[in-house]
Amino acid sequence: EAGVAQSPRYKIIEKRQSVAFWCNPISGHATLYWYQQILGQGPKLLIQFQNNGVVDDSQLPKDRFSAERLKGVDSTLKIQPAKLEDSAVYLCASSLGFSGGGGNNEQFFGPGTRLTVL
Amino acid sequence: DAKTTQPTSMDCAEGRAANLPCNHSTISGNEYVYWYRQIHSQGPQYIIHGLKNNETNEMASLIITEDRKSSTLILPHATLRDTAVYYCIVAPGAGSYQLTFGKGTKLSVIP
Repeated sequence: EAGVAQSPRYKIIEKRQSVAFWCNPISGHATLYWYQQILGQGPKLLIQFQNNGVVDDSQLPKDRFSAERLKGVDSTLKIQPAKLEDSAVYLCASSLGFSGGGGNNEQFFGPGTRLTVL
Repeated sequence: DAKTTQPTSMDCAEGRAANLPCNHSTISGNEYVYWYRQIHSQGPQYIIHGLKNNETNEMASLIITEDRKSSTLILPHATLRDTAVYYCIVAPGAGSYQLTFGKGTKLSVIP
């Protein structure tokens, strides 16, 4: 079974530039998540999609970050304009979207995109 | 804010059991305990989860205290490939719940 795919793996940009990240979840997974992981910290959820609708974007800095999941499959996360503090690894994860009562709605993570803002 | 407390780091000799503790004193009755790990330069990986009974799978065992206020993840025979950051997370476990990661425990397996 193919895992969660992300691209690019690395990106270096200057502050005030824009950048976009792409995620292809596991086939059939209804839920898609974007996380931001700053060095030395655990991942922080930015946005959660259920199919092509947003479930939670309360921690997404909406003045500069945007995300979409067209047709309920692939997703893109965009930053415009980037700031120095946006330097981080951006992780995409997907899950089936339901636990079936047993508590196991395992999230599968991609390898992440490492963003460096200079 | 994360609802769990874990030691910042731990060492374990290769081949020995690694016991990683986690405190979750405010856990609710409908919340599960999940463990994920993150190997360097990779995304987090699910290990195991439990509600109140002890659980075991091919990767690890999870021991949850009777009052559910703490748990221990056990890697029975640690290898160098188990060196990673281990995250203990509590979450509802129903529907599309979210995972709130803390800083986790950095486990170093020593040859």
